[in-house]
Amino acid sequence: QQPVQSPQAVILREGEDAVINCSSSKALYSVHWYRQKHGEAPVFLMILLKGGEQKGHEKISASFNEKKQQSSLYLTASQLSYSGTYFCGTEGGSGTYKYIFGTGTRLKVLA
Amino acid sequence: DTAVSQTPKYLVTQMGNDKSIKCEQNLGHDTMYWYKQDSKKFLKIMFSYNNKELIINETVPNRFSPKSPDKAHLNLHINSLELGDSAVYFCASSQDEEVLYGYTFGSGTRLTVV
Repeated sequence: QQPVQSPQAVILREGEDAVINCSSSKALYSVHWYRQKHGEAPVFLMILLKGGEQKGHEKISASFNEKKQQSSLYLTASQLSYSGTYFCGTEGGSGTYKYIFGTGTRLKVLA
Repeated sequence: DTAVSQTPKYLVTQMGNDKSIKCEQNLGHDTMYWYKQDSKKFLKIMFSYNNKELIINETVPNRFSPKSPDKAHLNLHINSLELGDSAVYFCASSQDEEVLYGYTFGSGTRLTVV
């Protein structure tokens, strides 16, 4: 089952914050986050392995709520370079380590 | 020094033709993948190989056949191409099948079937 991301799209001004959510109908064991710029390949941002884990990557951080079966990506003081489509990838502990990518969130940062 | 390279970048072909996409990684990773990204940007895994052994084989038509001659290469051959095969195909690799450090994707092959 494909994880659902919200919002589907968001437009920000430089310096504003955004939160992208990734929700699964199944139990999650780990979550990846990726950013894909237009016409390019997705780029790995971070992985969250444990419930309650929070990670940071420059001004981009994420949390993983195992019980709620969701993860959130936080973008603070957004920059023009943050524009792109963000994907979560979730793994349900099936033993195959097969990550299923979410529906995607298009983010555009305006000057 | 490209980490995951795939060729060609663009492929335009007629229905019914057979085509191949090649992928190579120089990261020393054990596991390689093929992903398909459709027009709605949904990324879906097709195949995964770990050290030349097929470990994930999603519900993909038999017309798609992956081949891994060694752990640095994973090719995708598609027979009897159909309009619905039009998409961007990404090759990816990971250090191992647990994907603890994420996927490294190639730049993609945009396949257009006319």
